[in-house]
Amino acid sequence: TQLLEQSPQFLSIQEGENLTVYCNSSSVFSSLQWYRQEPGEGPVLLVTVVTGGEVKKLKRLTFQFGDARKDSSLHITAAQPGDTGLYLCAGDDSGAGSYQLTFGKGTKLSVIP
Amino acid sequence: DTAVSQTPKYLVTQMGNDKSIKCEQNLGHDTMYWYKQDSKKFLKIMFSYNNKELIINETVPNRFSPKSPDKAHLNLHINSLELGDSAVYFCASSQAQSSNTEAFFGQGTRLTVV
Repeated sequence: TQLLEQSPQFLSIQEGENLTVYCNSSSVFSSLQWYRQEPGEGPVLLVTVVTGGEVKKLKRLTFQFGDARKDSSLHITAAQPGDTGLYLCAGDDSGAGSYQLTFGKGTKLSVIP
Repeated sequence: DTAVSQTPKYLVTQMGNDKSIKCEQNLGHDTMYWYKQDSKKFLKIMFSYNNKELIINETVPNRFSPKSPDKAHLNLHINSLELGDSAVYFCASSQAQSSNTEAFFGQGTRLTVV
């Protein structure tokens, strides 16, 4: 199983600040997903990045896939209290035929009003 | 309609008991999974089934036995429950044949063993 390291593990910021969450691996993934999980719920997909160097934007969220497809970042601009939650990156190594997502340990984000 | 539904949402039981968690998906996906999320929120895969066949069985005690009667259902049966089994268990599904494996998760079953 390939490993994904997420940092930081915890992040507490004031409303309006910017932040970046990192997801790193020594392995190559065919694609990488970012999920957000709220208390009492299952993770919900935010975005999938597939191509090395790809950048995707979802309103104030910007996702980037590293050129070598081993790492990714999530940047949030002007964070809002509604952004509070657990952010999980997950690598798809189904290219090896294993049909599975490997999750990072998550970044717990708290945005204080 | 809920895409991936699992029951029960909460389960409190004594050590040594046997319990089951049910999962159903109405997305027409080929692949279903069971994940365990521990108290530190680490989400770790337990099993993966593709078209009712076991694909992945990570290092999980054999007290855990998944059963897939059809590709829309993947139930999890746990024998002789132990305190360390307390966690949130998530069922998920995906269309593994697509170019990227996006998983849709159920709401989770919070299992507490006392």
